[in-house]
Amino acid sequence: DSGVTQTPKHLITATGQRVTLRCSPRSGDLSVYWYQQSLDQGLQFLIHYYNGEERAKGNILERFSAQQFPDLHSELNLSSLELGDSALYFCASSDSSTLEFYGYTFGSGTRLTVV
Amino acid sequence: ILNVEQSPQSLHVQEGDSTNFTCSFPSSNFYALHWYRWETAKSPEALFVMTLNGDEKKKGRISATLNTKEGYSYLYIKGSQPEDSATYLCASLNQAGTALIFGKGTTLSVSS
Repeated sequence: DSGVTQTPKHLITATGQRVTLRCSPRSGDLSVYWYQQSLDQGLQFLIHYYNGEERAKGNILERFSAQQFPDLHSELNLSSLELGDSALYFCASSDSSTLEFYGYTFGSGTRLTVV
Repeated sequence: ILNVEQSPQSLHVQEGDSTNFTCSFPSSNFYALHWYRWETAKSPEALFVMTLNGDEKKKGRISATLNTKEGYSYLYIKGSQPEDSATYLCASLNQAGTALIFGKGTTLSVSS
């Protein structure tokens, strides 16, 4: 157990629907990062939150949004789902002030399948 | 846009072989280079974080070097074992220094 908890582990939903993925960071970590891994693609950076505030945005679609709550857990909302959104979504946490010295701790991922 | 490239895409070696892979990244505005090991059905795990030109890190049979001036890092595995089979990811900090940008990885398969 890495200390980063992601739920659910698997999700199957239909096109056009909306889903919410949840991540609880490792104790003491203030930063949460979301990544998407599609077939034949590397880990694509979506968004970074630090202590409740958005710090950086990557290749995140307008149909996707995220937030980090006061208890530091984060949710990634995916709406108007398309077949191409099927992917493995990872959450990672860190003490972001030390990304130059320490790496991420990854959760186990949520496998989203859009049918 | 920060682009991190890894080669080869995949590699198959025999048990006991030594091997190495390459990670290329933009040398301008460099902050740090990370290596991760990702086993099938598990989460990526951090191997090394490197920041200084000429840095060399070692963990058991795995080591890594860093050249920030020319923008590359090598990961070496000495005497590969079947348990080394995994995808090895490298990542560079984005220009704002706030998130990691990953390469697509090198998938290593070690046969006994």
